[in-house]
Amino acid sequence: KQEVTQIPAALSVPEGENLVLNCSFTDSAIYNLQWFRQDPGKGLTSLLLIQSSQREQTSGRLNASLDKSSGRSTLYIAASQPGDSATYLCAGETAYSGAGSYQLTFGKGTKLSVIP
Amino acid sequence: EPEVTQTPSHQVTQMGQEVILRCVPISNHLYFYWYRQILGQKVEFLVSFYNNEISEKSEIFDDQFSVERPDGSNFTLKIRSTKLEDSAMYFCATNRHEGSISYNEQFFGPGTRLTVL
Repeated sequence: KQEVTQIPAALSVPEGENLVLNCSFTDSAIYNLQWFRQDPGKGLTSLLLIQSSQREQTSGRLNASLDKSSGRSTLYIAASQPGDSATYLCAGETAYSGAGSYQLTFGKGTKLSVIP
Repeated sequence: EPEVTQTPSHQVTQMGQEVILRCVPISNHLYFYWYRQILGQKVEFLVSFYNNEISEKSEIFDDQFSVERPDGSNFTLKIRSTKLEDSAMYFCATNRHEGSISYNEQFFGPGTRLTVL
């Protein structure tokens, strides 16, 4: 059974700092990995999707990498801003059913606080 | 930009009552999912649905749960007899599908907070 772990559970940084969030998974047969942002009491906003054939994806100040052999993914946030404060979740799709249905296994998230 | 919508945003019910949570997927998305998040815990997969039938379900998705697409647009999750431990945020998610190509990125709705008293 796939297990996804995120470290650290919480992180507080001053505005402008670059930071890295870590995600590890136990089953290297992961198919895709998706990073989400969750604001308190809100839904999940998709940030980046890395497909199994890719090693990284970039969107604006965000860069996510995937290393299936080591079972790790990282989310790099450049020049952090107070508006980046949220919980960041990573989720792996662990089995390709062949029917186009993808089950995501989530980590518990890293709660990021960016201090002005 | 198209988005997944869910109603109601908050549902309060008595233990043993039936609840129906509703989701309107993004148009041209054909794969639908329900997840739940108990307060302070991880988001957990419940069920996936395609072509009017369940594709996969987790061990959480027991006989008390059912899903359907009653009118070709809404996608619903029914809990027949709610329990206290069903209190959670329930998220609907959808995948895009165009022709023979399936896109993996899942888009989530804002969630329905279910409180069982």
